[in-house]
Amino acid sequence: GIQVEQSPPDLILQEGANSTLRCNFSDSVNNLQWFHQNPWGQLINLFYIPSGTKQNGRLSATTVATERYSLLYISSSQTTDSGVYFCAARDNYGQNFVFGPGTRLSVLP
Amino acid sequence: DAMVIQNPRYQVTQFGKPVTLSCSQTLNHNVMYWYQQKSSQAPKLLFHYYDKDFNNEADTPDNFQSRRPNTSFCFLDIRSPGLGDAAMYLCATSRGGATLEKLFFGSGTQLSVL
Repeated sequence: GIQVEQSPPDLILQEGANSTLRCNFSDSVNNLQWFHQNPWGQLINLFYIPSGTKQNGRLSATTVATERYSLLYISSSQTTDSGVYFCAARDNYGQNFVFGPGTRLSVLP
Repeated sequence: DAMVIQNPRYQVTQFGKPVTLSCSQTLNHNVMYWYQQKSSQAPKLLFHYYDKDFNNEADTPDNFQSRRPNTSFCFLDIRSPGLGDAAMYLCATSRGGATLEKLFFGSGTQLSVL
């Protein structure tokens, strides 16, 4: 099945800094999503982005499907951005979403 | 607001005592999923329903069962919980179709086994 990797595993930022999180996947995908898991465990869907670029406020995401990676950009980070960011992918053959191991982000005031 | 609701938020059970976790959705989505998430790990899929069709992951223990009596509700039954089953259990939904589109998660049930 599809393999999903994320980097970096941990990231510490000062408030106001920008960051880029990366997700690599091993096979062609028809579904790629980014999630933020807050300290209370809630998984919030940030982007559904199997290809192309999307923006939502300070967040944007780009998926280059032909090169099998996706990037999540966080600009002007805030302490409320802290948590774990997961990407999840579904290949063209499988029924299931596979999650990457996550990037743990800490934004310091 | 349409959403995915999980109850209870925290569940404590005893070793070997059956427990049921519940999930409901108002999104009218075709697909409902149960994920297990242990501390500092990614969510791991246990099984999912596409409408009434049940799909079990190959490595999901037989101790875990699920029921979906109608579109809106889905239950996770753990027949004989062990200490290793202590985890966050997450319910999610998505539309049907070729790509399944976006996943929507409930707030999870944190299960403790004493």
